[in-house]
Amino acid sequence: LAKTTQPISMDSYEGQEVNITCSHNNIATNDYITWYQQFPSQGPRFIIQGYKTKVTNEVASLFIPADRKSSTLSLPRVSLSDTAVYYCLVGPGRGKLIFGQGTELSVKP
Amino acid sequence: GAVVSQHPSWVICKSGTSVKIECRSLDFQATTMFWYRQFPKQSLMLMATSNEGSKATYEQGVEKDKFLINHASLTLSTLTVTSAHPEDSSFYICSAQKPGLAQPLHYEQYFGPGTRLTVT
Repeated sequence: LAKTTQPISMDSYEGQEVNITCSHNNIATNDYITWYQQFPSQGPRFIIQGYKTKVTNEVASLFIPADRKSSTLSLPRVSLSDTAVYYCLVGPGRGKLIFGQGTELSVKP
Repeated sequence: GAVVSQHPSWVICKSGTSVKIECRSLDFQATTMFWYRQFPKQSLMLMATSNEGSKATYEQGVEKDKFLINHASLTLSTLTVTSAHPEDSSFYICSAQKPGLAQPLHYEQYFGPGTRLTVT
Protein backbone atom coordinates (compact mmCIF):
# COMPACT_ATOMS: atom_id res chain seq x y z
CA LEU A 1 0.00 0.00 0.00
CA ALA A 2 1.34 3.40 -0.97
CA LYS A 3 2.26 5.66 1.91
CA THR A 4 0.92 9.20 1.82
CA THR A 5 2.29 12.43 3.25
CA GLN A 6 0.19 15.53 3.75
CA PRO A 7 0.44 18.63 5.94
CA ILE A 8 -0.73 18.10 9.49
CA SER A 9 -2.71 21.34 9.59
CA MET A 10 -3.76 24.30 7.47
CA ASP A 11 -5.52 27.56 8.20
CA SER A 12 -7.73 29.50 5.85
CA TYR A 13 -10.39 32.19 5.82
CA GLU A 14 -13.93 32.04 4.58
CA GLY A 15 -14.27 32.56 0.86
CA GLN A 16 -10.73 31.52 0.02
CA GLU A 17 -9.70 28.61 -2.14
CA VAL A 18 -7.84 25.91 -0.24
CA ASN A 19 -5.39 23.51 -1.83
CA ILE A 20 -4.18 20.49 0.12
CA THR A 21 -1.34 18.53 -1.45
CA CYS A 22 -0.62 14.89 -0.78
CA SER A 23 2.57 13.06 -1.71
CA HIS A 24 2.47 9.40 -2.65
CA ASN A 25 5.79 8.59 -4.27
CA ASN A 26 5.34 4.82 -4.46
CA ILE A 27 1.87 4.79 -5.98
CA ALA A 28 1.20 1.63 -8.00
CA THR A 29 -0.13 1.45 -11.54
CA ASN A 30 -3.65 0.45 -10.55
CA ASP A 31 -3.92 2.66 -7.46
CA TYR A 32 -6.62 5.28 -7.22
CA ILE A 33 -6.37 8.44 -5.13
CA THR A 34 -9.28 9.13 -2.82
CA TRP A 35 -9.98 12.03 -0.48
CA TYR A 36 -12.25 11.88 2.54
CA GLN A 37 -13.54 14.54 4.92
CA GLN A 38 -14.17 13.78 8.58
CA PHE A 39 -15.93 15.84 11.21
CA PRO A 40 -15.55 15.01 14.92
CA SER A 41 -17.50 11.92 15.98
CA GLN A 42 -18.59 11.13 12.44
CA GLY A 43 -17.47 8.61 9.86
CA PRO A 44 -15.33 9.83 6.95
CA ARG A 45 -17.27 11.24 4.02
CA PHE A 46 -16.17 10.51 0.46
CA ILE A 47 -15.20 13.74 -1.32
CA ILE A 48 -13.56 12.82 -4.59
CA GLN A 49 -11.57 10.11 -6.31
CA GLY A 50 -9.30 10.11 -9.31
CA TYR A 51 -6.74 8.17 -11.27
CA LYS A 52 -5.03 10.81 -13.42
CA THR A 53 -5.29 14.41 -14.69
CA LYS A 54 -8.18 16.36 -13.22
CA VAL A 55 -11.45 15.35 -11.65
CA THR A 56 -14.14 17.79 -10.60
CA ASN A 57 -17.42 17.33 -8.79
CA GLU A 58 -19.86 19.62 -7.06
CA VAL A 59 -17.71 20.11 -3.97
CA ALA A 60 -14.06 19.82 -5.00
CA SER A 61 -11.46 19.31 -7.68
CA LEU A 62 -8.62 16.85 -7.68
CA PHE A 63 -5.47 17.55 -9.65
CA ILE A 64 -3.11 14.68 -10.43
CA PRO A 65 0.11 15.31 -12.39
CA ALA A 66 1.32 12.93 -15.05
CA ASP A 67 3.73 11.07 -12.75
CA ARG A 68 0.91 10.57 -10.19
CA LYS A 69 3.37 10.91 -7.31
CA SER A 70 1.29 13.65 -5.74
CA SER A 71 -2.21 15.03 -5.85
CA THR A 72 -3.91 18.24 -4.82
CA LEU A 73 -7.39 18.58 -3.41
CA SER A 74 -8.87 21.98 -4.20
CA LEU A 75 -11.79 23.34 -2.20
CA PRO A 76 -13.27 26.48 -3.77
CA ARG A 77 -14.50 29.29 -1.52
CA VAL A 78 -14.40 27.49 1.79
CA SER A 79 -16.83 28.23 4.58
CA LEU A 80 -16.70 27.65 8.33
CA SER A 81 -18.46 24.32 7.80
CA ASP A 82 -15.47 23.04 5.84
CA THR A 83 -13.44 22.94 9.05
CA ALA A 84 -12.59 19.24 9.31
CA VAL A 85 -9.85 16.68 8.87
CA TYR A 86 -9.09 15.72 5.27
CA TYR A 87 -7.52 12.37 4.44
CA CYS A 88 -5.71 11.42 1.25
CA LEU A 89 -5.64 7.69 0.57
CA VAL A 90 -4.04 5.68 -2.16
CA GLY A 91 -5.22 2.14 -2.67
CA PRO A 92 -5.25 -0.82 -4.97
CA GLY A 93 -8.19 -1.68 -7.14
CA ARG A 94 -9.64 -3.75 -4.36
CA GLY A 95 -8.77 -3.93 -0.74
CA LYS A 96 -8.09 -2.15 2.46
CA LEU A 97 -7.24 1.48 2.88
CA ILE A 98 -4.70 2.62 5.44
CA PHE A 99 -5.35 6.06 6.88
CA GLY A 100 -2.51 8.49 7.56
CA GLN A 101 -2.74 11.39 9.98
CA GLY A 102 -4.73 13.63 7.66
CA THR A 103 -4.77 17.40 7.37
CA GLU A 104 -6.71 19.39 9.95
CA LEU A 105 -8.19 22.34 8.09
CA SER A 106 -9.34 25.29 10.15
CA VAL A 107 -11.46 27.91 8.40
CA LYS A 108 -11.73 31.24 10.18
CA PRO A 109 -14.28 34.00 9.67
CA GLY B 1 -26.26 6.57 -3.75
CA ALA B 2 -24.02 4.64 -1.43
CA VAL B 3 -25.26 4.73 2.12
CA VAL B 4 -23.85 2.79 5.03
CA SER B 5 -25.55 2.74 8.41
CA GLN B 6 -24.40 1.62 11.83
CA HIS B 7 -26.37 0.63 14.87
CA PRO B 8 -26.26 1.66 17.60
CA SER B 9 -24.80 5.15 17.23
CA TRP B 10 -23.63 5.01 20.81
CA VAL B 11 -23.61 2.43 23.57
CA ILE B 12 -22.55 2.29 27.20
CA CYS B 13 -21.83 -1.08 28.73
CA LYS B 14 -20.33 -2.47 31.89
CA SER B 15 -16.91 -4.03 32.03
CA GLY B 16 -17.02 -7.73 31.24
CA THR B 17 -20.10 -7.65 29.05
CA SER B 18 -20.29 -8.04 25.27
CA VAL B 19 -21.53 -5.50 22.76
CA LYS B 20 -22.63 -6.03 19.16
CA ILE B 21 -22.37 -3.32 16.52
CA GLU B 22 -24.14 -3.66 13.17
CA CYS B 23 -22.99 -2.25 9.84
CA ARG B 24 -25.38 -2.22 6.89
CA SER B 25 -25.01 -1.17 3.28
CA LEU B 26 -28.46 0.23 2.53
CA ASP B 27 -28.51 0.64 -1.23
CA PHE B 28 -25.83 -1.69 -2.53
CA GLN B 29 -24.41 -5.11 -1.88
CA ALA B 30 -21.00 -5.35 -0.32
CA THR B 31 -19.00 -8.56 -0.38
CA THR B 32 -16.31 -6.79 1.61
CA MET B 33 -16.65 -4.52 4.61
CA PHE B 34 -14.03 -3.09 6.91
CA TRP B 35 -13.94 -2.24 10.59
CA TYR B 36 -11.92 0.65 12.00
CA ARG B 37 -11.31 2.05 15.45
CA GLN B 38 -10.53 5.66 16.20
CA PHE B 39 -9.29 7.14 19.46
CA PRO B 40 -9.65 10.87 20.22
CA LYS B 41 -7.45 13.12 18.09
CA GLN B 42 -6.09 10.14 16.20
CA SER B 43 -6.57 8.73 12.74
CA LEU B 44 -8.62 5.68 11.86
CA MET B 45 -6.95 2.37 12.54
CA LEU B 46 -7.99 -0.60 10.45
CA MET B 47 -8.98 -3.55 12.61
CA ALA B 48 -10.17 -6.17 10.16
CA THR B 49 -11.54 -6.98 6.76
CA SER B 50 -14.93 -8.66 6.75
CA ASN B 51 -15.69 -10.95 3.82
CA GLU B 52 -19.19 -12.23 3.12
CA GLY B 53 -19.42 -15.94 3.73
CA SER B 54 -15.89 -16.38 5.00
CA LYS B 55 -13.71 -15.60 7.98
CA ALA B 56 -12.57 -12.09 8.65
CA THR B 57 -8.97 -11.07 8.17
CA TYR B 58 -7.55 -9.25 11.18
CA GLU B 59 -4.77 -6.70 11.21
CA GLN B 60 -1.68 -7.39 13.24
CA GLY B 61 -2.22 -6.78 16.93
CA VAL B 62 -6.02 -7.07 16.82
CA GLU B 63 -7.34 -9.95 18.93
CA LYS B 64 -9.73 -11.99 16.80
CA ASP B 65 -11.24 -13.72 19.83
CA LYS B 66 -12.07 -10.40 21.39
CA PHE B 67 -13.43 -8.66 18.32
CA LEU B 68 -15.73 -11.15 16.63
CA ILE B 69 -16.78 -10.29 13.09
CA ASN B 70 -19.62 -11.91 11.19
CA HIS B 71 -20.55 -11.07 7.60
CA ALA B 72 -23.55 -13.30 7.04
CA SER B 73 -25.16 -11.42 4.17
CA LEU B 74 -24.20 -9.03 1.38
CA THR B 75 -25.56 -6.07 3.30
CA LEU B 76 -24.71 -6.78 6.93
CA SER B 77 -21.55 -7.18 8.95
CA THR B 78 -21.44 -7.26 12.74
CA LEU B 79 -18.64 -6.57 15.18
CA THR B 80 -18.98 -8.02 18.67
CA VAL B 81 -16.67 -6.72 21.36
CA THR B 82 -16.48 -9.54 23.88
CA SER B 83 -15.67 -9.11 27.54
CA ALA B 84 -15.33 -5.39 27.06
CA HIS B 85 -12.95 -3.38 29.20
CA PRO B 86 -12.57 0.39 29.64
CA GLU B 87 -9.61 0.42 27.25
CA ASP B 88 -11.97 -0.80 24.50
CA SER B 89 -13.85 2.48 24.76
CA SER B 90 -13.47 4.07 21.35
CA PHE B 91 -15.23 5.18 18.18
CA TYR B 92 -15.86 2.21 15.90
CA ILE B 93 -16.44 2.86 12.21
CA CYS B 94 -17.29 0.45 9.42
CA SER B 95 -17.02 0.86 5.68
CA ALA B 96 -18.45 -1.04 2.75
CA GLN B 97 -16.81 -1.55 -0.61
CA LYS B 98 -18.57 -0.93 -3.91
CA PRO B 99 -17.20 -1.32 -7.45
CA GLY B 100 -16.34 1.94 -9.16
CA LEU B 101 -17.50 2.71 -12.69
CA ALA B 102 -14.26 3.95 -14.24
CA GLN B 103 -11.28 1.96 -15.45
CA PRO B 104 -8.92 0.55 -14.33
CA LEU B 105 -11.04 -1.68 -12.14
CA HIS B 106 -11.30 -0.27 -8.65
CA TYR B 107 -13.54 -0.09 -5.65
CA GLU B 108 -14.92 2.80 -3.65
CA GLN B 109 -15.33 2.68 0.12
CA TYR B 110 -18.21 4.32 1.89
CA PHE B 111 -18.19 4.76 5.63
CA GLY B 112 -20.84 4.45 8.28
CA PRO B 113 -21.51 7.22 10.82
CA GLY B 114 -19.66 5.39 13.57
CA THR B 115 -20.53 3.91 16.96
CA ARG B 116 -19.29 5.43 20.19
CA LEU B 117 -18.58 2.67 22.72
CA THR B 118 -18.05 3.55 26.35
CA VAL B 119 -17.15 0.79 28.78
CA THR B 120 -17.61 1.63 32.45
